[in-house]
Amino acid sequence: GQQLNQSPQSMFIQEGEDVSMNCTSSSIFNTWLWYKQDPGEGPVLLIALYKAGELTSNGRLTAQFGITRKDSFLNISASIPSDVGIYFCAGKETSGSRLTFGEGTQLTVNP
Amino acid sequence: GAVVSQHPSRVICKSGTSVKIECRSLDFQATTMFWYRQFPKKSLMLMATSNEGSKATYEQGVEKDKFLINHASLTLSTLTVTSAHPEDSSFYICSARDHQGQPQHFGDGTRLSIL
Repeated sequence: GQQLNQSPQSMFIQEGEDVSMNCTSSSIFNTWLWYKQDPGEGPVLLIALYKAGELTSNGRLTAQFGITRKDSFLNISASIPSDVGIYFCAGKETSGSRLTFGEGTQLTVNP
Repeated sequence: GAVVSQHPSRVICKSGTSVKIECRSLDFQATTMFWYRQFPKKSLMLMATSNEGSKATYEQGVEKDKFLINHASLTLSTLTVTSAHPEDSSFYICSARDHQGQPQHFGDGTRLSIL
């Protein structure tokens, strides 16, 4: 089956630093999504990517759909304490297929 | 837009009880809803895909008689955990999308604790 490797598993950074995390897939995806989950809540969609090479920003967040269609990264610039949470990548092989989730990146921001 | 409401947010009940969790799309019609289970510090595990008006498709290893799913309208899907036992304790999350090309939007989850 599909495998989605997300790294790093956790990050501890100082407020103001930039952060980067990425996901790689064993198969080609046609959609990449990035979600953030706060404790005790459901994931919230941050960025959706639909085309190879696409680079999309949402405020301080920037994500890219890799050219090979097997990877994606998420960057957070100038981190703030409320960026704390678990970030999940998710991908789909086709429009109708289910999402495959990465294992998540736990981000801790020290003020 | 794209708000998904899940209720209840937390349930604590005795072993043997059946528990119903509701998932509603508030501002869009959800042709497809998904039910996930999440263990502590783990990723989301898809349990089943629910299409309005048809039977749910369950993932391998998920007992359909244990986890009953009903998607009777375009805005409501329910998950019933029948005769729940302590090993069913978990965080259950639903998501919904309006059509195939759109991303899933998630509810806030239900923390189920079986004593």
